[in-house]
Amino acid sequence: EAQVTQNPRYLITVTGKKLTVTCSQNMNHEYMSWYRQDPGLGLRQIYYSMNVEVTDKGDVPEGYKVSRKEKRNFPLILESPSPNQTSLYFCASSPTTFGIYEQYFGPGTRLTVT
Amino acid sequence: SQKIEQNSEALNIQEGKTATLTCNYTNYSPAYLQWYRQDPGRGPVFLLLIRENEKEKRKERLKVTFDTTLKQSLFHITASQPADSATYLCALSMNYGGSQGNLIFGKGTKLSVKP
Repeated sequence: EAQVTQNPRYLITVTGKKLTVTCSQNMNHEYMSWYRQDPGLGLRQIYYSMNVEVTDKGDVPEGYKVSRKEKRNFPLILESPSPNQTSLYFCASSPTTFGIYEQYFGPGTRLTVT
Repeated sequence: SQKIEQNSEALNIQEGKTATLTCNYTNYSPAYLQWYRQDPGRGPVFLLLIRENEKEKRKERLKVTFDTTLKQSLFHITASQPADSATYLCALSMNYGGSQGNLIFGKGTKLSVKP
């Protein structure tokens, strides 16, 4: 089944403890992206990658890191999480380099930072 | 910076009627505009994409229009059903400089279709 998977689905952590949220897609898509969704603010793009080893900042990149060493994986790293990073996170992939066609979203990761 | 607005946070309509959702944007000319559906606690699901040189796109009961003069897209669901109840998001992407991969979403309109 073609899909985007994220792990973990739920995570509660403490301020300052480094964490990684994994994202993997099995559709051989070029483009991958991370978003966070907050009430009243909608879905905002954190980082995106148009291909392996190519990443770029979205609208809210502060406090996050990403890497794209393989086509299928695009992990999101929070080096020192803070409570304002409590949010619902979505990973997405798209078949084109520019990601301007349809995006396929993962199921989401609900992160709570205390 | 670019701004994208969806006309209302919530829209309530009767089953069988046509739902019309609005997406307005400012400051830039997007190359593509997309519409997604999101159910509570789940990731958005792609519905339709329309390009800047297209006026209208249809898919089954769905229709999207794109007016680059008004800087507006309209999303229509005809013969609406309770199963259409969800939040609908519009998103736009540019086609210049280094911003091709940057996708900007509106905050969404929550549609409720009453039987």
